[in-house]
Amino acid sequence: KAGVTQTPRYLIKTRGQQVTLSCSPISGHRSVSWYQQTPGQGLQFLFEYFSETQRNKGNFPGRFSGRQFSNSRSEMNVSTLELGDSALYLCASSLQGVTEAFFGQGTRLTVV
Amino acid sequence: DQQVKQNSPSLSVQEGRISILNCDYTNSMFDYFLWYKKYPAEGPTFLISISSIKDKNEDGRFTVFLNKSAKHLSLHIVPSQPGDSAVYFCAAEGNFGNEKLTFGTGTRLTIIP
Repeated sequence: KAGVTQTPRYLIKTRGQQVTLSCSPISGHRSVSWYQQTPGQGLQFLFEYFSETQRNKGNFPGRFSGRQFSNSRSEMNVSTLELGDSALYLCASSLQGVTEAFFGQGTRLTVV
Repeated sequence: DQQVKQNSPSLSVQEGRISILNCDYTNSMFDYFLWYKKYPAEGPTFLISISSIKDKNEDGRFTVFLNKSAKHLSLHIVPSQPGDSAVYFCAAEGNFGNEKLTFGTGTRLTIIP
């Protein structure tokens, strides 16, 4: 059974640009959550999607958005990138809720 | 407002000895707790969990203890092995009507051969 796949693995963008990250969950999983990991901050919850609907949202500015498609694949978009957006972005999928979610390897975003 | 805290950023333990990782939380509405392990360049992997109706859960070398009155949980690894060297995150979930995990900042465990 394939795990959670995130693409791309690494990304370098310039301030002011926008970026789209992709996440393919484990087959059959309908819940997809996104997290931002930065040194000293742990994993900060961005949002969670279930059956194409955003169920929950963390405390991030509106520049961070996402969506989920009918096949449960999810994308996350960050507009007007700032240097502080440099982080590892992790996607996690689960059958329904977030308990015991399975994580992808993450996308390392560097904003220069 | 860090609702889940791991106050030790790092911990070094001799191989074969017990590793004890600690986690404190502030929100009494949390009712499910998890530990994740993370190697560099990989996503976190689920290790073990505990519901608030229990005070102990064991899985092989890993045991999680929950002290609800102190709002404290700990992960014990016995015996510690070199492959256990990783960053460990504790996470909490509550019945808030939303679905999200609140993570601690992580503890880097190094097992010394």
